[in-house]
Amino acid sequence: KQEVTQIPAALSVPEGENLVLNCSFTDSAIYNLQWFRQDPGKGLTSLLLIQSSQREQTSGRLNASLDKSSGRSTLYIAASQPGDSATYLCAVLSEKLVFGKGTKLTVNP
Amino acid sequence: EAQVTQNPRYLITVTGKKLTVTCSQNMNHEYMSWYRQDPGLGLRQIYYSMNVEVTDKGDVPEGYKVSRKEKRNFPLILESPSPNQTSLYFCASSLWGAGEQYFGPGTRLTVT
Repeated sequence: KQEVTQIPAALSVPEGENLVLNCSFTDSAIYNLQWFRQDPGKGLTSLLLIQSSQREQTSGRLNASLDKSSGRSTLYIAASQPGDSATYLCAVLSEKLVFGKGTKLTVNP
Repeated sequence: EAQVTQNPRYLITVTGKKLTVTCSQNMNHEYMSWYRQDPGLGLRQIYYSMNVEVTDKGDVPEGYKVSRKEKRNFPLILESPSPNQTSLYFCASSLWGAGEQYFGPGTRLTVT
């Protein structure tokens, strides 16, 4: 059974810092991995999709990497801003869709 | 604009009163699914539909029904809601089961 873990559960950083969010999964037989952002009580906004054949994807200040063999993905946020404060979720897309419980990020001005 | 829509966005109801939450997508996606999100438990899948002909249970299907009569719509039905179904519900769609997921805005349901 696929299990997805996101550590840490919460992270607080000062504005301007570069940071890395982690997502680990137990079964490497995946098709895709998708990162989302969720603001409190709101919907899920898709940030990046990494296909299993890819190593990384970039969008603006965001860079997501995927290492299937080790069961890990990271989301790198450069030059963090207070507007980046949100919960970040990773979803492993395989025979079944499995979500991590998220990392709550707070960027302090 | 490509999107997944849900209605209503907010709903307060009483125990036992049947309700339906609608979900519609305009991207010609085959795969659609429903999730509930609760504090500390994350997103849990209720039901999914691979295509118009195939629908199956997710992790927490008890107390819910779904219907997929046409490709674009996938309503969630609560025949007899109970307070433990108070939650934030999301509908999602994708071209195929493990393809990029597109989420609706969510429906906050409160059952008293």
